[in-house]
Amino acid sequence: EAQVTQNPRYLITVTGKKLTVTCSQNMNHEYMSWYRQDPGLGLRQIYYSMNVEVTDKGDVPEGYKVSRKEKRNFPLILESPSPNQTSLYFCASSTTSGGYSYNEQFFGPGTRLTVL
Amino acid sequence: SQQGEEDPQALSIQEGENATMNCSYKTSINNLQWYRQNSGRGLVHLILIRSNEREKHSGRLRVTLDTSKKSSSLLITASRAADTASYFCATALYSGNTPLVFGKGTRLSVIA
Repeated sequence: EAQVTQNPRYLITVTGKKLTVTCSQNMNHEYMSWYRQDPGLGLRQIYYSMNVEVTDKGDVPEGYKVSRKEKRNFPLILESPSPNQTSLYFCASSTTSGGYSYNEQFFGPGTRLTVL
Repeated sequence: SQQGEEDPQALSIQEGENATMNCSYKTSINNLQWYRQNSGRGLVHLILIRSNEREKHSGRLRVTLDTSKKSSSLLITASRAADTASYFCATALYSGNTPLVFGKGTRLSVIA
């Protein structure tokens, strides 16, 4: 089954404790992206990747890191989480067209993160 | 960099009625997409309409695009309780590798 998986689905942690949220897709998509969703603010993009070893900042990259060492995986790293990073996080992937990333996106189920 | 803005923010209708949601955007687009999100879950792609298309259908969904007005509408006909969800438009710009930009969504409640 074609899908995007994220782990963990729920996480409660404390300020400053490094954490990683994993994202994996089995559709051989070039493009992968991380979003956060907050009430009243909609979805905001954190980082995206056009292909292996190619990553770029989205709208709200501060406090986050990503890596793309393999095509299928795109982990999101919070080196020193803070309470304002409490949010619902989504990973998404898509094919590209002519090198552009505007095709339909497939979303993971989400990771609900609480930072105390 | 919010591009799409959905209207209304919330909509409540009876089962069997039609639901119309609108999306306005600011700059030229390559395509516009609509997504559905059930409470707290991942978004699901519904339909993509390209800038050179005016109307597209998929089952009970009908999407229109008016590039002169920079607006799109999503019509759900004969709504069902299972259509209760948030609906987002997302715009894909022409300029290079800019990512999809999502609006804040319309919350649709279909009452049985």
